[in-house]
Amino acid sequence: DIQMTQSPSSLSATVGDRVTITCRASQTIVGYLNWYQQKPGKAPKLLISTASTLQSGVPSRFSGSGSGTDFTLTISSLQPEDFATYYCQQTFSPPLIFGGGTKVEIK
Amino acid sequence: EVQLVESGGGLVQPGGSLRLSCEASGFTFSSYGMHWVRQAPGKGLEFVSTISRDGGSTYYANSVKGRFTISRDNSKNTLYLQMGTLRGEDMAVYYCARAPTIHSGSYAGFDYWGQGTLVTVSS
Repeated sequence: DIQMTQSPSSLSATVGDRVTITCRASQTIVGYLNWYQQKPGKAPKLLISTASTLQSGVPSRFSGSGSGTDFTLTISSLQPEDFATYYCQQTFSPPLIFGGGTKVEIK
Repeated sequence: EVQLVESGGGLVQPGGSLRLSCEASGFTFSSYGMHWVRQAPGKGLEFVSTISRDGGSTYYANSVKGRFTISRDNSKNTLYLQMGTLRGEDMAVYYCARAPTIHSGSYAGFDYWGQGTLVTVSS
């Protein structure tokens, strides 16, 4: 099975900060890497599909990059509504494993 | 409007069984791979199971293999998860989700999710 390692597990940031979250796969997943945002008590929301495709309605401050085994989610200017937990997920080969999550908190 | 509505959660004793359902509407159900994901209290997201568009291929997390069975009825636009030999570590909110199939076994992201149904395993 492909394992996903996400880092950091948590971070503290200020509104306006540039935030970067990384995800590493244990073997190549080509570009089959997705990013989700989850707020407490809510279902996850897909932000970015297949490494870099921004979903409709998602603000352009979110971007994704990478291929092969190493991927990055960047929030260019953190907004108050962005404080949440973020997960990566590979959908190249089942089981479709999620990363452990990154909790973005207010500094 | 795409909607996924889970049902069937509840309290079950260790060793017991439960069947979850996910009723889909607002899209062509048979055109999408469907998935179950769970989240234990205070924990991260855990992939549970996947079923292909026609139901011919299924995949499971190692933690549930042999105990859970995923199935679908495309005529009823409904996804199922039959859970057996339940353990305390199966206690979680269970979500169903859909994902466009890119090619066999590979998917785009899970673009729509249900609201989740809580499974509590306790004596």
